[in-house]
Amino acid sequence: GAGVSQSPSNKVTEKGKDVELRCDPISGHTALYWYRQSLGQGLEFLIYFQGNSAPDKSGLPSDRFSAERTGGSVSTLTIQRTQQEDSAVYLCASSQAGGSYEQYFGPGTRLTVT
Amino acid sequence: GQNIDQPTEMTATEGAIVQINCTYQTSGFNGLFWYQQHAGEAPTFLSYNVLDGLEEKGRFSSFLSRSKGYSYLLLKELQMKDSASYLCAVRDGRGSTLGRLYFGRGTQLTVWP
Repeated sequence: GAGVSQSPSNKVTEKGKDVELRCDPISGHTALYWYRQSLGQGLEFLIYFQGNSAPDKSGLPSDRFSAERTGGSVSTLTIQRTQQEDSAVYLCASSQAGGSYEQYFGPGTRLTVT
Repeated sequence: GQNIDQPTEMTATEGAIVQINCTYQTSGFNGLFWYQQHAGEAPTFLSYNVLDGLEEKGRFSSFLSRSKGYSYLLLKELQMKDSASYLCAVRDGRGSTLGRLYFGRGTQLTVWP
C-alpha cells in the first residue's frame, strides 16, 4: 500500500505479558517514529529512527519498552511485562528525511492491558 | 524541554471562521506543524510554518511568529466534517534530537449546523 501500515489494529493482553507492535513505513522514507496517545492526551514521543544512525530512544518511558528497525524499513515496538498504564494507542509515522518533511501516520494499534 | 499550549475545546457554527491558537516554549525550534485528527483515526498533515508569516492553503491558513512563540490555525467556511481534534506540533532543532515533534494536547473543535 501507499501509506504507513500497522499491525495489529487492536491488541488485548493480560498484565505481565509481552507484546509486539509492527510498523511498515512508506517505501523510501528514511525516518520512522513511534508515538503513544492516551485517552484525551497529546501524542507522546517514544523513539525515532533515522537511516543508519543510532536511534533517539529518549522518549521511551521505561526499560520495558524497546524498538528495532530491520533493514531500514519495518519496525517493531516491544513492550515487556505490560502494565495497565501501558494501555494506549501506539502510532507509527514515517517521513522522507529526519526533520525536513511532514510525518505520515499509520492507523495505530490500540493496546488494552487487562 | 518543550511546552506547547492550545485550548482544549472550541465550538463554532457551519460557515463561520474559527482561529485555534498555539503557544510554545522550546529549547530549539525548527518548524511548526498543524495536524487534524478525527476520532479513532490517525493524524493527517495540514500545514507547516518555519518562517514568520501566513501560509494559506484553501480554507485553512496557518500563521507563525517565532519571536512570540505563537501560531494559529485559521479555518474558514467551516463544514461539519471539520469537527476534529487539531494538533499543534513543534519540531526540535537541536542536533541530538533533530526531527522530533513535540505535540500539544490538541484542540477539539465541534462544528454545529
